[in-house]
Amino acid sequence: QVQLQESGPGLVKPSGTLSLTCAVSGGSISSTYWWNWVRQPPGKGLEWIGEIYHTGSTNYNPSLKSRVTISMDKSKNHLSLNLTSVTAADTAMYYCARGEYNYAFQWGQGTLVTVSS
Amino acid sequence: DIQMTQSPSSVSASVGDRVTITCRAGQDISSWLAWYQQKPGKAPKLLIYAASILQSGVPSRFSGTGSGTDFTLTITSLQPEDFAVYFCQQADSFPLTFGGGTKVDIK
Repeated sequence: QVQLQESGPGLVKPSGTLSLTCAVSGGSISSTYWWNWVRQPPGKGLEWIGEIYHTGSTNYNPSLKSRVTISMDKSKNHLSLNLTSVTAADTAMYYCARGEYNYAFQWGQGTLVTVSS
Repeated sequence: DIQMTQSPSSVSASVGDRVTITCRAGQDISSWLAWYQQKPGKAPKLLIYAASILQSGVPSRFSGTGSGTDFTLTITSLQPEDFAVYFCQQADSFPLTFGGGTKVDIK
């Protein structure tokens, strides 16, 4: 059973860059899955950020596309999320998830990122 | 973007009740729909995909129906562990979008 674990700084300054990692265990990130990032502001709903395939192909939410990069490191079996020029509106719980057919079958526990000076 | 609208936004129910949650898509998404359950402080959990396929390990009291633009999640005989927030998600086209959520709480 694949497990996912997000990690990264819990606090990012406004205008800075949010950088998170999702470590995948119990399976290879090179498997034929899409690896997704989803976020959830406190007390609010879910927003899909984007995804990456093992070939490196990506899909992004147009609302964030100009600021987002999703990448993967096969040697470390993890994927990464970079979000630039953050504001308070980017404060959220960030989840990585394993996807198939655009469904998120498995989720990490999430990591809370607060944007504040 | 395809807008997903859930109703009701909250419902109060008792253990043993039948609960029905509705999700409406802003355009035809065929059967490309999932339902997730989220408990406080936890990640969402996939319950149903392709509108009606129960994810492995999910109790059979959960069921999903619908196609096109109108979908339903039904919980028959609500159990204490079912009190949670439920989200629908369209998987038809990018960007993937979620409904606003339905909170099922104790009456």
